[in-house]
Amino acid sequence: EVQLVESGGGLVQPGGSLRLSCAASGFTFSTYWMSWVRQAPGKGPEWVANMKQDGSEKYYVDSVKGRFTISRDNAKNSLYLQVNSLRAEDTAVYYCARHIAVAGTWGPFDYWGQGTLVTVSS
Amino acid sequence: DIVMTQFPDSLAVSLGERATINCKSSQSVLYSSNNKNYLAWFQQKPGQPPKVLIYWASTRESGIPDRFSGSGSGTDFTLTISSLQAEDVAVYYCQQYYRTPITFGQGTRLEIK
Repeated sequence: EVQLVESGGGLVQPGGSLRLSCAASGFTFSTYWMSWVRQAPGKGPEWVANMKQDGSEKYYVDSVKGRFTISRDNAKNSLYLQVNSLRAEDTAVYYCARHIAVAGTWGPFDYWGQGTLVTVSS
Repeated sequence: DIVMTQFPDSLAVSLGERATINCKSSQSVLYSSNNKNYLAWFQQKPGQPPKVLIYWASTRESGIPDRFSGSGSGTDFTLTISSLQAEDVAVYYCQQYYRTPITFGQGTRLEIK
């Protein structure tokens, strides 16, 4: 059974940092593109970043470029998101999601975790 | 960025009736080399992550009831629920994964009339 379990969220002051983790199981993690997607309270989902299977390609939404860093450790079946210089507008549930395998590029999402809540407030 | 616009924003349909949700992308999401539309539909219920229903615009995910169907190509897409069930009450999102940033529509809230 495919499982994605996020952790690392919490309450942080503006300007602070967190490291979010996503533990994957039930599939060969190293063969899938992976993404982080966030959802602010009462809002729709917003894609944040994704990363290729071997880590050689990564992409970000403009609003987090220079502040967030996506990474992965295929030996540990884990995806990470380092979030720095946090702002109130970064408050959201952060989900990791798996892309369906497609030759040469990413495909649609098929599995999502349950998410971890990041609250940025003083 | 590719902007995804859904309409209507909310919809009330009687049980057993058809529900139709539309989605328009600001640019074509049809990839000519493989003739695939990079468009997915998600269902989200309160307190749960989004759940994929349809991808490649018309491919139903495994385990999704056949009352859900997707159609369209290029920039105009439709999600149809042929006979609304009580458990279909949710917010529905379209999403393009043609290019980054991957973007979602604003959502359509579906309720029972």
